[in-house]
Amino acid sequence: AQSVTQLDSHVSVSEGTPVLLRCNYSSSYSPSLFWYVQHPNKGLQLLLKYTSAATLVKGINGFEAEFKKSETSFHLTKPSAHMSDAAEYFCVVTGQGGKLIFGQGTELSVKP
Amino acid sequence: NAGVTQTPKFQVLKTGQSMTLQCAQDMNHNSMYWYRQDPGMGLRLIYYSASEGTTDKGEVPNGYNVSRLNKREFSLRLESAAPSQTSVYFCASSDSGGMQPQHFGDGTRLSIL
Repeated sequence: AQSVTQLDSHVSVSEGTPVLLRCNYSSSYSPSLFWYVQHPNKGLQLLLKYTSAATLVKGINGFEAEFKKSETSFHLTKPSAHMSDAAEYFCVVTGQGGKLIFGQGTELSVKP
Repeated sequence: NAGVTQTPKFQVLKTGQSMTLQCAQDMNHNSMYWYRQDPGMGLRLIYYSASEGTTDKGEVPNGYNVSRLNKREFSLRLESAAPSQTSVYFCASSDSGGMQPQHFGDGTRLSIL
């Protein structure tokens, strides 16, 4: 069965410092992986997706994620945090029939 | 540039009442979805519709029904609301044939007393 674990429920960084949001997955086959962002009182927005092409995936707003099969990880990074990055981030893996399986979310706080 | 529009944004119901949540998209997408979001549980798929005229159960369909009225609209109905259905409900759409929603509405916050 497919599953996804976000290793931190909350991450706090200072503006201008790097962001690292960690995600591990479990899958019996080569999965598709996604990161979504959710700002307060808004719906989710797709940040980036991995679908077995390049292992380093670039997304919107300067985010990127690296697929590491040996570590079963798909961590999300950004070189320099901005105040507008404060939101909740979801790591997602495809499950049976292509349905999405969501992680529990990581809340990112950005301090001025 | 509306995207996915959900109504209402907020609703309070009493146990046993019925209600329909409305969703419409203006992107000519084939696939539409209903999710619920609960604290610490991410999003869970309730129902989806791969195309007009078709609907399928997701992970947590019990207590809900859906109607794909036309290509634009996909409604979610609670026939007899229960406190366990207190949640934030999101409608989403995509133009792909798979199960990956691309665009989400802003959600309906539903409380059942």
